[in-house]
Amino acid sequence: DADVTQTPRNRITKTGKRIMLECSQTKGHDRMYWYRQDPGLGLRLIYYSFDVKDINKGEISDGYSVSRQAQAKFSLSLESAIPNQTALYFCATSDPGERADTQYFGPGTRLTVL
Amino acid sequence: AQKVTQAQTEISVVEKEDVTLDCVYETRDTTYYLFWYKQPPSGELVFLIRRNSFDEQNEISGRYSWNFQKSTSSFNFTITASQVVDSAVYFCALSEALTDKLIFGTGTRLQVFP
Repeated sequence: DADVTQTPRNRITKTGKRIMLECSQTKGHDRMYWYRQDPGLGLRLIYYSFDVKDINKGEISDGYSVSRQAQAKFSLSLESAIPNQTALYFCATSDPGERADTQYFGPGTRLTVL
Repeated sequence: AQKVTQAQTEISVVEKEDVTLDCVYETRDTTYYLFWYKQPPSGELVFLIRRNSFDEQNEISGRYSWNFQKSTSSFNFTITASQVVDSAVYFCALSEALTDKLIFGTGTRLQVFP
């Protein structure tokens, strides 16, 4: 089984809809991240969390919110989706005690907002 | 500000050729980490290597090698005797020591033709 899983893997939605992307991990890592990937722009950090009580904004947090339900779960929400949020979304985890700062990524969620 | 530049947007080679992917970074931190990730056509992000700022030894892993030079702020990646399976987008990334936040380059798409 994969260490970092994301659901759904693909989603098509309409403008204005609320969407939640979920991430679960079995690596036992405390730190979790959400990124989005756009063609030609690489990956950009949306939010990150160092533990259940810690949530931090990343580079492009506007229009997104997150919830860290447990050490193993980190959800990303789009409260009112818009077309320019069409992208590939990645969840990642890391643990400084394991192999310091190496982030391990989930398989990605491809989101299309019509 | 931290920044990662991958000036090569796309590279095409014929199988068995050697190819070098360039990565130049900017940071004011004295402690930082550099990474390479591979994104094959299937879309997942695969961790390849991590290097910390105090370790300038070059590394070789099979057909892959990495050349880290602090004097030129570069962390280049060479694939020897390229194979079709090496076709992917390759990302270089820089991590702040205290936050684990990854700053990605825009990626280099490598196409290896038979």
